Amino acid sequence: AQKVTQAQTEISVVEKEDVTLDCVYETRDTTYYLFWYKQPPSGELVFLIRRNSFDEQNEISGRYSWNFQKSTSSFNFTITASQVVDSAVYFCALSEAITGTYKYIFGTGTRLKVLA
Amino acid sequence: NAGVTQTPKFRILKIGQSMTLQCTQDMNHNYMYWYRQDPGMGLKLIYYSVGAGITDKGEVPNGYNVSRSTTEDFPLRLELAAPSQTSVYFCASSSPGLKNIQYFGAGTRLSVL
Repeated sequence: AQKVTQAQTEISVVEKEDVTLDCVYETRDTTYYLFWYKQPPSGELVFLIRRNSFDEQNEISGRYSWNFQKSTSSFNFTITASQVVDSAVYFCALSEAITGTYKYIFGTGTRLKVLA
Repeated sequence: NAGVTQTPKFRILKIGQSMTLQCTQDMNHNYMYWYRQDPGMGLKLIYYSVGAGITDKGEVPNGYNVSRSTTEDFPLRLELAAPSQTSVYFCASSSPGLKNIQYFGAGTRLSVL
């Protein structure tokens, strides 16, 4: 069965601190996709990144970086020099490819509070 | 660029009433999804569709129905609303040819009292 675990329910940091959000997944598929979404207080879901199972390269986008490690089934998200605007709930999601439906399995989310 | 549009944004229903949540996308995506998000939880899949005329159940389909008569529209019907259906509902669409990234609507906040 597929599963996504975000063990950190809530994290509070002070502005300018670095913070890492953990995501651990389970799947028996060899082809799959991992995603991160941001849900700010306004409630919409904003796509941040997609990674496929064959691409273990880490990625950096401005203050955001992602570390994908198949050996530990993890896809962690780091925010460097956090800002108040980063306060949101962050969701990790897993999508399988084998059935062709590309359904997502979401983690329960991590609420990040960045304090000024 | 409208993307995925959901209406209404908010609704209060009485127990036993019915309603339809509307979802329209203008990106010509074949795949569409309905999720519900309960407080402190992730999103759970209610129904999905891989194309017009094709729908299938997700993880939590009980109490809901969907139809997909066009590529653009994917309405979600609640029959005999119950307090357990109080939630925020999100519609999403994607295209496998576009890295199957799901794009979400702004959500519908529904309360059943």
